[in-house]
Amino acid sequence: QQQVKQSPQSLIVQKGGISIINCAYENTAFDYFPWYQQFPGKGPALLIAIRPDVSEKKEGRFTISFNKSAKQFSLHIMDSQPGDSATYFCAASLKDDMRFGAGTRLTVKP
Amino acid sequence: DAGVTQSPTHLIKTRGQQVTLRCSPKSGHDTVSWYQQALGQGPQFIFQYYEEEERQRGNFPDRFSGHQFPNYSSELNVNALLLGDSALYLCASSPKDRGNTGELFFGEGSRLTVL
Repeated sequence: QQQVKQSPQSLIVQKGGISIINCAYENTAFDYFPWYQQFPGKGPALLIAIRPDVSEKKEGRFTISFNKSAKQFSLHIMDSQPGDSATYFCAASLKDDMRFGAGTRLTVKP
Repeated sequence: DAGVTQSPTHLIKTRGQQVTLRCSPKSGHDTVSWYQQALGQGPQFIFQYYEEEERQRGNFPDRFSGHQFPNYSSELNVNALLLGDSALYLCASSPKDRGNTGELFFGEGSRLTVL
């Protein structure tokens, strides 16, 4: 059922550094690509999302880069902060069926 | 404005038993989706309910069933529990067709442990 592959599994970054998480998808019919952030004991919360008609979307310190031909997209977190420490999930959806990656556990060291 | 609420938050069952999990969607939302999140994994889509009917289903056996009520709340039922059913069960709500945002709003989940 896994149609979205996410890497790395875990990531450790120093405060102020750049965190980069990558995802690849298989189904070219997917039309919505969100990133969710999940803290321990909480449900995932939408961080940022992109549609395949644009190559980049930036919201504050968070940027999605999207490469339609390579069927890949990535999340960049600039100036990473300890409060960004969480698990990040990429996802891809077609209509109401959303498929998630396996997640990346990000730790930002002070 | 209450978000998505789920109950119970934690429960323990034994193999072969049945469990019912409950979800109230965010105010103004009429579509409810259920996901299973195993430890260290991403959420896996179980099914979605809209207008009291199952609209779409993921790759889960018939032991997993659901229901949506006229007030849009929903239940997830799992029969003949297996050890592998131990997971966090997430409910997510959205307005019909999710409009332009496509966003799903998740609850905090019900953690099921099967012994």
